[in-house]
Amino acid sequence: EAGVAQSPRYKIIEKRQSVAFWCNPISGHATLYWYQQILGQGPKLLIQFQNNGVVDDSQLPKDRFSAERLKGVDSTLKIQPAKLEDSAVYLCASSPATGAMNTEAFFGQGTRLTVV
Amino acid sequence: AQSVTQPDIHITVSEGASLELRCNYSYGATPYLFWYVQSPGQGLQLLLKYFSGDTLVQGIKGFEAEFKRSQSSFNLRKPSVHWSDAAEYFCAVGGGFKTIFGAGTRLFVKA
Repeated sequence: EAGVAQSPRYKIIEKRQSVAFWCNPISGHATLYWYQQILGQGPKLLIQFQNNGVVDDSQLPKDRFSAERLKGVDSTLKIQPAKLEDSAVYLCASSPATGAMNTEAFFGQGTRLTVV
Repeated sequence: AQSVTQPDIHITVSEGASLELRCNYSYGATPYLFWYVQSPGQGLQLLLKYFSGDTLVQGIKGFEAEFKRSQSSFNLRKPSVHWSDAAEYFCAVGGGFKTIFGAGTRLFVKA
């Protein structure tokens, strides 16, 4: 079974530039998550989709971050404009959960973003 | 409010020694509990999970964890650590749609 695919693996940009990350979840998984993991911290949920609808985006900085999930499958996360404090690893995860039950998530390898 | 505390930022154990990583949580109802492991440059891999039933949960790679409701804890254990276990370990608590991760414990294994 193919895992969660993310690209790119690494990205270096200057502050105020824009950047986009892509995620392809495990086939058939209804739920998709984007997490931000700052060095030395645990993952923090940015946004959660169920199919192509947003379930939770309460911690997404909406003035600069946006995300979409096309046709309930692939997803992109965009930052515009980037700030130095956005330097982190961005993890995409997916889960077969379709209801209120919270199951485990399957994670991609992440995209390491460095903003200089 | 939902929260997870991993009191130890890092732990060093000798290869072959036993291991216990601590996790305390705060959640208003019966939680779903997880332990994940993250090797350098990799995503998180699920070690084990507790949803209900037997409070002693077996996972992959010889790990186990015990849910203690009275102590709001879900500590991870392994009887004999291997050098390949060196990684970062995250405890997580979930309920409904939301999962919260702890800050992690980095495990160092010395020969």
